[in-house]
Amino acid sequence: GENVEQHPSTLSVQEGDSAVIKCTYSDSASNYFPWYKQELGKGPQLIIDIRSNVGEKKDQRIAVTLNKTAKHFSLHITETQPEDSAVYFCAASIEEYGNKLVFGAGTILRVKS
Amino acid sequence: NAGVTQTPKFQVLKTGQSMTLQCAQDMNHNSMYWYRQDPGMGLRLIYYSASEGTTDKGEVPNGYNVSRLNKREFSLRLESAAPSQTSVYFCASSEEGGGLPNIQYFGAGTRLSVL
Repeated sequence: GENVEQHPSTLSVQEGDSAVIKCTYSDSASNYFPWYKQELGKGPQLIIDIRSNVGEKKDQRIAVTLNKTAKHFSLHITETQPEDSAVYFCAASIEEYGNKLVFGAGTILRVKS
Repeated sequence: NAGVTQTPKFQVLKTGQSMTLQCAQDMNHNSMYWYRQDPGMGLRLIYYSASEGTTDKGEVPNGYNVSRLNKREFSLRLESAAPSQTSVYFCASSEEGGGLPNIQYFGAGTRLSVL
């Protein structure tokens, strides 16, 4: 079946540095790519999303880039803060499942102060 | 604004017992979903409901049943729980339209242990 791979599985950065998380997907028909943040004991919450007709989207310190030819997309967090520490999940809509989301395995981000 | 509410928050079952996980949303969304989250595997879709009265299987439906009771409520039932169903279960909802995927809003989760 179609899948989404996410790297790295853990990432430690110093406060103020940038963090980059990358995902690749296998379904060339995928057209929606959200990123979710999950804090301990809580459900995932959307932080940014991008559709296939756009190559890049930015919201303050967070940006997402999409390369449809290579079938990969990335999350960029600049000027990281301790409150950015969480688990981040990427996802892609998969045509095989009626355009429902398939999630990556997650990245644990630790921001050291 | 409650969003998506799941009950219970925690549950311990013995192998073979049954239980129903409840989910309700107050955002008037058409679509609702059940996921399970296991370490190192992200979230996997169990079942979803595109609208009231319809349900469809996701990636990992075996061992589960669902009911879309009305537009607000979507329940997940384990008829005979197995240790492999130990997981954190999340319910989500979204406003889908025209076959295009949209933002999903998640509940806080139900942590289930099957002994």
